[in-house]
Order: sequence, then structure tokens, then C-alpha cells
Amino acid sequence: EDKVVQSPLSLVVHEGDTVTLNCSYEVTNFRSLLWYKQEKKAPTFLFMLTSSGIEKKSGRLSSILDKKELFSILNITATQTGDSAVYLCAVEINQGGKLIFGQGTELSVKP
Amino acid sequence: KAGVTQTPRYLIKTRGQQVTLSCSPISGHRSVSWYQQTPGQGLQFLFEYFSETQRNKGNFPGRFSGRQFSNSRSEMNVSTLELGDSALYLCASSIGLVSPGELFFGEGSRLTVL
Repeated sequence: EDKVVQSPLSLVVHEGDTVTLNCSYEVTNFRSLLWYKQEKKAPTFLFMLTSSGIEKKSGRLSSILDKKELFSILNITATQTGDSAVYLCAVEINQGGKLIFGQGTELSVKP
Repeated sequence: KAGVTQTPRYLIKTRGQQVTLSCSPISGHRSVSWYQQTPGQGLQFLFEYFSETQRNKGNFPGRFSGRQFSNSRSEMNVSTLELGDSALYLCASSIGLVSPGELFFGEGSRLTVL
């Protein structure tokens, strides 16, 4: 069965800390791995990763994929209270919009 | 440009009833996918449509169905509602030619079944 597992499930940090969120997967037909941020409303796209070892970066956020060990990490440096959200990892399998989501990591950044 | 629009945003039904949810994708997007989000199961894939054809289906019972119209708008229907169908139903659109790439999600339709 296709599976995506995220860890930790929840995390509380203080502003300025650096956090690393983990995502491991076991799927039959990997096409890409995506990260989303979900605050109270719809998930918003952060990164899409298809190749191992190539870091994607956007401001204080960065992510990398390891297709040999079947995992990805999402790093957030110098965290801010606005980073508080649920971070979702998803793996695309097959063609056609089918994403398998992990349970999410709930990040809380305290002032 | 306008985002993904889902209607209704909130609805309450009773067991045994049926419900239809609507999704209007971003202009130019031809792929629409549907997800169910619950606290226990997280986000689970329901189905995806591209150019009016269902390309992929998740592991949900036949009570869950959908369709896509020629203007890319999509509807999903749940018949014979059960308490466990209470969830946030999210629709997402993408250009959809090969891979979904960046999925754009709507704000969801929150269904409560009593």
C-alpha cells in the first residue's frame, strides 16, 4: 500500500529557531514529492521535487529529496510566528493528480 | 486571476441524504481533483478529472462520484450519507497536461452529517 509518513506530528519552537520536518514514503510509482503549507484554509504550494540531491529554496524555506533513501526534508530557518501552520508532504503517483498525503506536521512558533 | 471556487462552503445534512458539491477551477486549468480531509485520516484522494474524463480514482465506495463539464467545472456527489462522511472536501486544480505540478486548492466545503 502506498504510504507517506511525516515526523514529527507536532512541534513547538520559539521565534528564530531552525526546524527540520521529515517526510518518508513508500510508493509504487513515484513521480514527484510536494510540500504544502496549510493554515486555517486551503493548502498552499511550497515546493515540488523530482530529482535527488537538488535543493529547492524559497526565502527561509528549503527542501531536498533523497530518492535512494525515500525521504525528503523541509527546513525553515529563523522561524517566525507566521510560519505556524500544518506542513503537508505529498507524493504524486501515476499520472493525473493523484497525491498521497502524509498526516502533516503541526508547527507552532511562539514569540 | 480568480482562484479555485468551491460551493457551498458549509452544509449540514442528515444520514441517508445526498449532497452535491461544486468546484470552479482557475481559468485555463483542465485538471480538477477532489480530496477528503478529516482529523483522523488527513487528506485522502477521491478522484481526478481531466478534460471531462476521470483519470484516477481513490479508494472510496461507489457512493462517492464526480463529473467534469466541458468548461472544466466539476461536481462531486455523495449519496446515502453516513456520519463518517463528515469532513472538509477540498478541490484542487492544475494545468494537468502531464503531472499536476502545483495544485491550487479551494477553501473547501465543510460537510457535517447528523
